[in-house]
Amino acid sequence: EIVLTQSPATLSLSPGERATLSCRASQSVRSSLAWYQQKPGQAPRLLIYDASNRATGIPARFSGSGSGTDFTLTISSLEPEDFAVYYCQQRSNWPITFGQGTRLEIK
Amino acid sequence: EVQLLESGGDLVQPGGSLRLSCAASGFTFSSNGMNWVRQAPGKGLEWVSTISTGGGSTYYADSVKGRFTISRDNSKNTLSLQMNSLRAEDTAVYFCAKSIAGATNFDFWGQGTLVTVSS
Repeated sequence: EIVLTQSPATLSLSPGERATLSCRASQSVRSSLAWYQQKPGQAPRLLIYDASNRATGIPARFSGSGSGTDFTLTISSLEPEDFAVYYCQQRSNWPITFGQGTRLEIK
Repeated sequence: EVQLLESGGDLVQPGGSLRLSCAASGFTFSSNGMNWVRQAPGKGLEWVSTISTGGGSTYYADSVKGRFTISRDNSKNTLSLQMNSLRAEDTAVYFCAKSIAGATNFDFWGQGTLVTVSS
């Protein structure tokens, strides 16, 4: 099973700042990594798939990069609605696995 | 508009069974893989199961293999999850999620249905 480790566990930033979230895989997942955003009481929302492709309707301030074992989700300038929990997910190997999440909170 | 509506969540005793359903609309159901993902209270996301477009291929997390069965009815645009031998650790919100074309990433999700396993 591929283990995804996200860091940091919690990130405290202010609106307008740049956020950088990390996801590291225990073995190569090539570019088969996605990012999701989840707000309290809501279902997750797909942000990025295949490491760097924005899903439909996702604002350009969200970008993804990386390949192999190291991946980054960047939010260029935080909006108030961006404070949420973010998960990475790999589909390279069965079983599909998620990271444990990074909580992005308002400083 | 894509809609996924789960139902069937309930309080069940350990060792019991439950069947979840997901009614899909707003897309060509038979053209997309479908999935169940769960989230225990206050915890992260856990993939549970995936079924291919025609239902011929199914995949399970080790934690549910042999106890859960995923199925689909393309004539009724419905996804199901039969859950047997339920354990306390199966307590979670269960989400139905649609795969994007050709890949097991989840671009649309239902709002979830709560399964509580407790005596």
